[in-house]
Amino acid sequence: KAGVTQTPRYLIKTRGQQVTLSCSPISGHRSVSWYQQTPGQGLQFLFEYFSETQRNKGNFPGRFSGRQFSNSRSEMNVSTLELGDSALYLCASSLAGAGDEQYFGPGTRLTVT
Amino acid sequence: SQQGEEDPQALSIQEGENATMNCSYKTSINNLQWYRQNSGRGLVHLILIRSNEREKHSGRLRVTLDTSKKSSSLLITASRAADTASYFCATDANGGFKTIFGAGTRLFVKA
Repeated sequence: KAGVTQTPRYLIKTRGQQVTLSCSPISGHRSVSWYQQTPGQGLQFLFEYFSETQRNKGNFPGRFSGRQFSNSRSEMNVSTLELGDSALYLCASSLAGAGDEQYFGPGTRLTVT
Repeated sequence: SQQGEEDPQALSIQEGENATMNCSYKTSINNLQWYRQNSGRGLVHLILIRSNEREKHSGRLRVTLDTSKKSSSLLITASRAADTASYFCATDANGGFKTIFGAGTRLFVKA
């Protein structure tokens, strides 16, 4: 089985712009979770989707949003980028959902200048 | 704050030695997991232990869980240079479709 893929792998944006990141889960996995990883805050849970429904959301401002499509692929969007949004964004898929064994993609490294 | 907190923050050992990392968490859980991350890349799942289990083994890995103390430990036996990585514990925060990661332990295994 192919693993979790994320595109793009690297991204440089300027403050105020918006960005969309994409995640394709392992075939058959209906749950996709997103995480932000920074040196200061570590791994922070963003949100979890299962069969196109957001089931939980972390403590992030409304500028962070996501969605899941019927084929389980997911996107997350960050609007009005701030310098502090620079991070590694990780996507993970699982059969049962966040809280169960998750398979992570390589991440998208976002740099905001 | 994080649900899981690892201890120590960093650990340096010689190849062949055992490495023990500890994790404490705050709320009730259904399960606890350990993940490994190499050099800021994606995470790899190592082992999952459910709240009704006390110990679990997988190859050179041994995980224990003490729900009364809200703590877990990961033991890597006969460590290798390739085990050099950051190790994170993660909990499901009592089944809220959410995984909470600890700050991680950085393990450095010297050849």
